[in-house]
Amino acid sequence: GEDVEQSLFLSVREGDSSVINCTYTDSSSTYLYWYKQEPGAGLQLLTYIFSNMDMKQDQRLTVLLNKKDKHLSLRIADTQTGDSAIYFCAECLDTSGTYKYIFGTGTRLKVLA
Amino acid sequence: NAGVTQTPKFQVLKTGQSMTLQCAQDMNHNSMYWYRQDPGMGLRLIYYSASEGTTDKGEVPNGYNVSRLNKREFSLRLESAAPSQTSVYFCASKRQIEAEAFFGQGTRLTVV
Repeated sequence: GEDVEQSLFLSVREGDSSVINCTYTDSSSTYLYWYKQEPGAGLQLLTYIFSNMDMKQDQRLTVLLNKKDKHLSLRIADTQTGDSAIYFCAECLDTSGTYKYIFGTGTRLKVLA
Repeated sequence: NAGVTQTPKFQVLKTGQSMTLQCAQDMNHNSMYWYRQDPGMGLRLIYYSASEGTTDKGEVPNGYNVSRLNKREFSLRLESAAPSQTSVYFCASKRQIEAEAFFGQGTRLTVV
């Protein structure tokens, strides 16, 4: 089945690290993504990881993938108030050459000054 | 570069009215998607189109129809709007061999 789960809320203090977690159910996912949505805006891709990788680092962002447990996490180092947003994880399923995205429920990150 | 353009940005409908949400992309992408976003439920896939001339149902297709008019345009139609269709609708497009999907700015639809 296709299901992506995230916790709904996370609150951290400015300067701390944030860790947003996600679990997915379909092991055939080729890519896994993290998107950021600011208030009143569309989704913007933050980073993605190919399913044969364990970790990807991109400046303040670190993505960890545990394929055995179907667990994906996004760590934001030195979290800033501008990081306050909703973060969505998503998996991309290759269904006979058709790429279908399944999104999680989103985690609302609040950064306290 | 316009990217993915959705119109309108806001719309209020009465129950039973019909309307079409428009989406166009100028990136020559093959795949296009329509999602709805509701609080606490994330984005749910309504319909998608892998290429011009093909459309497939997603998780929540009931009450909607789509048309892939050409490679650029993918429209979403509500034939008889219901209050349960009050939501923010996002269109997205993706080139099949690349990782990123690009999103429009969304259409906020209220059905009263």
